[in-house]
Amino acid sequence: AAGVIQSPRHLIKEKRETATLKCYPIPRHDTVYWYQQGPGQDPQFLISFYEKMQSDKGSIPDRFSAQQFSDYHSELNMSSLELGDSALYFCASSSNQDRAGDTQYFGPGTRLTVL
Amino acid sequence: AQSVTQLDSQVPVFEEAPVELRCNYSSSVSVYLFWYVQYPNQGLQLLLKYLSGSTLVKGINGFEAEFNKSQTSFHLRKPSVHISDTAEYFCAVSVGAALIFGKGTTLSVSS
Repeated sequence: AAGVIQSPRHLIKEKRETATLKCYPIPRHDTVYWYQQGPGQDPQFLISFYEKMQSDKGSIPDRFSAQQFSDYHSELNMSSLELGDSALYFCASSSNQDRAGDTQYFGPGTRLTVL
Repeated sequence: AQSVTQLDSQVPVFEEAPVELRCNYSSSVSVYLFWYVQYPNQGLQLLLKYLSGSTLVKGINGFEAEFNKSQTSFHLRKPSVHISDTAEYFCAVSVGAALIFGKGTTLSVSS
């Protein structure tokens, strides 16, 4: 079965640079979620989109922005990168109209390292 | 605010022994609870979830969990673990669109 695709899988950036992470949800899924998992930490919710509109917002820094496109893929844009942004970034997708309790299917993650 | 607390950060166990990973939740409204597993260098995989109905939930890989409203718990159990069950386990609660995770429990299975 098709899964959530994230690209790139690994990314190395310098401080103050920008990064763009991409997420391709499972076909026919209309909701995308972004999470950040620091080393040895639990995943922290950043932001979600349903039908190309932002549906919920968590602890996403102002330096980050995201959007969902007409084909339902999503991009997380990160600017003025800091050392503390080094983490594993997960994308998840779900169907059923973004209701609480929907199963979120996670991608393999993008490991971002900021030097 | 809804949250979950995983009571054990690490659980070492021998192969074929039973295991219980503990999770307590705090919520004043209807709660949706999940257990996810994360193998090294991989994403999160859903083991099971509780939305409503039967309080005993069966999941993949022989895991099950029991929703206990009076004790506000959602403990994960497996009667006999395998080496391949070694992983990080996260309990989570659904809050709006987001999943709020516990700090995780590292299950280490040795022979």
